[in-house]
Amino acid sequence: AQTVTQSQPEMSVQEAETVTLSCTYDTSESDYYLFWYKQPPSRQMILVIRQEAYKQQNATENRFSVNFQKAAKSFSLKISDSQLGDAAMYFCAYRSARGTSYGKLTFGQGTILTVHP
Amino acid sequence: NAGVTQTPKFRILKIGQSMTLQCAQDMNHNYMYWYRQDPGMGLKLIYYSVGAGITDKGEVPNGYNVSRSTTEYFPLRLELAAPSQTSVYFCASSFEETQYFGPGTRLLVL
Repeated sequence: AQTVTQSQPEMSVQEAETVTLSCTYDTSESDYYLFWYKQPPSRQMILVIRQEAYKQQNATENRFSVNFQKAAKSFSLKISDSQLGDAAMYFCAYRSARGTSYGKLTFGQGTILTVHP
Repeated sequence: NAGVTQTPKFRILKIGQSMTLQCAQDMNHNYMYWYRQDPGMGLKLIYYSVGAGITDKGEVPNGYNVSRSTTEYFPLRLELAAPSQTSVYFCASSFEETQYFGPGTRLLVL
C-alpha cells in the first residue's frame, strides 16, 4: 500500500517571503499522480497543483511550484510571494494511475501554514 | 454548474441513531468517493464507486454503507452511529486524474 508522509506539522512564513512544504511518499508503482490540496478554515478542499509521475518537468501554477524528485520519492511545494490568503492546511496526496488502486487518493497528515503580516 | 454538493452541512446524532449523508454531482463523473477527516488529520477513504451500480470499500468502511443507483448521487449511510464516527465527511467526484470535493458535512455523535 502507498503511504504519504508530511513531516512538518506546522510551518510559518512572512508575507511576501517564500516557503517550502515537504512531502515524501512510498510506492512500488511507476505510474502515478501527486497533488497538493489546500484546506482553508472553511474546510473546502482546493486543488493547488498536480504532477504526473512520467513528466520530468516540475509543475508550476502561478506562485506555486513543486520540486518532484521521483527517485527520492519526494514532492515538495514551494509558495513564492506568500500572501495572507495562503494560510491554510496543506495536504499532499498520491493517486495510482493503474491497477486496483486506480482513482483512490492517499493523503498525508497535513501541514498547517501560518502567514505573518 | 454546482459541482459537488453535500447535505446537511452539520448534524448532531445520538449514539445508535442512523442517518444518510447526501452527495450529488452535476459534472457527469463516473468516479465518486467518500472520505472522512478526523481532527488534525488527512482524509481517509471510506467507499468509492466507479459508476452506477458499482461500489467498493476503501480504507475505513466499517460502520458505513453506500449505494449508487445513478451517476449523479452517491449517498453514505450510517446505520448505528458511534462516537468514533464523529468527523467531517467529504464527498468527491473525478474525471481522469483530478478529484473535486464537496464542502463537507460535519457530524457529531454524542
